[in-house]
Amino acid sequence: AQRVTQPEKLLSVFKGAPVELKCNYSYSGSPELFWYVQYSRQRLQLLLRHISRESIKGFTADLNKGETSFHLKKPFAQEEDSAMYYCALSGTGGGNKLTFGTGTQLKVEL
Amino acid sequence: DVKVTQSSRYLVKRTGEKVFLECVQDMDHENMFWYRQDPGLGLRLIYFSYDVKMKEKGDIPEGYSVSREKKERFSLILESASTNQTSMYLCASSQIDSLDTQYFGPGTRLTVL
Repeated sequence: AQRVTQPEKLLSVFKGAPVELKCNYSYSGSPELFWYVQYSRQRLQLLLRHISRESIKGFTADLNKGETSFHLKKPFAQEEDSAMYYCALSGTGGGNKLTFGTGTQLKVEL
Repeated sequence: DVKVTQSSRYLVKRTGEKVFLECVQDMDHENMFWYRQDPGLGLRLIYFSYDVKMKEKGDIPEGYSVSREKKERFSLILESASTNQTSMYLCASSQIDSLDTQYFGPGTRLTVL
């Protein structure tokens, strides 16, 4: 069975501080991992995917197969980064079926 | 721009009622999904569909059924609503590839009294 773990329900940081949202996964095959974000009163939307190795809004995430992790990082938090962040894994079953973590609420304080 | 719409933003029903939640997407996507979103539990997949008239159970299908008669429309049905089905319901659609983005609707907040 595949599983995604986000150990922090809430992460509070000051503006300008570094941010790391943790995500660990359990999957026997080769995973495809994503971060989705939901800003207040907006739809859930894709932030980034590991295969693209891209930086979106200053966020990056590196897949570490040895530690089965896909942590989301940003060097300097901005107030507009406050949102709910979900890590998700696409694995067995095909057809883009995603398993989501429980989410981490990021609060950036001034 | 992909658009996924859901029939209601807020819905209040009574225990035992039959409830229909409708989702429509306008990008000719093959895949459609229904999730429920609960605090502390994240998003959990209820049902998904790869094609018209095709459906597969997700992680928590009990108490729900779905219908996909047309490619653009995916309906979630609560045959006999119960209070533990009070939740936020999210619909999503995507292309068929596993790397493709899922596009989400605005959600329906269902309250069962």
